[in-house]
Amino acid sequence: KAGVTQTPRYLIKTRGQQVTLSCSPISGHRSVSWYQQTPGQGLQFLFEYFSETQRNKGNFPGRFSGRQFSNSRSEMNVSTLELGDSALYLCASSEGSNTEAFFGQGTRLTVV
Amino acid sequence: GNSVTQMEGPVTLSEEAFLTINCTYTATGYPSLFWYVQYPGEGLQLLLKATKADDKGSNKGFEATYRKETTSFHLEKGSVQVSDSAVYFCALSDPGFQKLVFGTGTRLLVSP
Repeated sequence: KAGVTQTPRYLIKTRGQQVTLSCSPISGHRSVSWYQQTPGQGLQFLFEYFSETQRNKGNFPGRFSGRQFSNSRSEMNVSTLELGDSALYLCASSEGSNTEAFFGQGTRLTVV
Repeated sequence: GNSVTQMEGPVTLSEEAFLTINCTYTATGYPSLFWYVQYPGEGLQLLLKATKADDKGSNKGFEATYRKETTSFHLEKGSVQVSDSAVYFCALSDPGFQKLVFGTGTRLLVSP
């Protein structure tokens, strides 16, 4: 079974631009969650989607948004990028609530 | 809110030494508890989990017991290897929610 796939692996963007990251979950998994990992703040929950609906949202500004498609693939978008958005963005998929989460390798975003 | 506290790293050990990484949590209700491991340049891998009090999770020689009375989930291994060098994260999730709350991570360095 293929694992969680995140694309691209690395990204460099300029302040003020926007960016879209993609996550393909494990086949059959309907829940996709996103996390931001930085040296200063550690791992922080962004949001979770289940069957195309956002079920849970972390404490991030509205510049951070996401969506999930009918095939469970998910995208997250960050608009008006700031230097502080530089981070490793991790996607995790699971079958549903209270089930094991499997993480992708992440997308390393650098904002210059 | 829910939170996880881990011991500061790095933890430096010689091969075959005994490992303990402390983890305590604060949560309402009865969360599930996890240990994840992150190797350089990689995403997170689930190491072990426990879903109720007194459960012991184990995998690859690592163990942790869910102690509700002390709100702890300490990670142990009897004999570490160089290949165990990584960052270890303790995490909890609320029942019914697919959202993980992570500790700050503990870097383990094992020398030959």
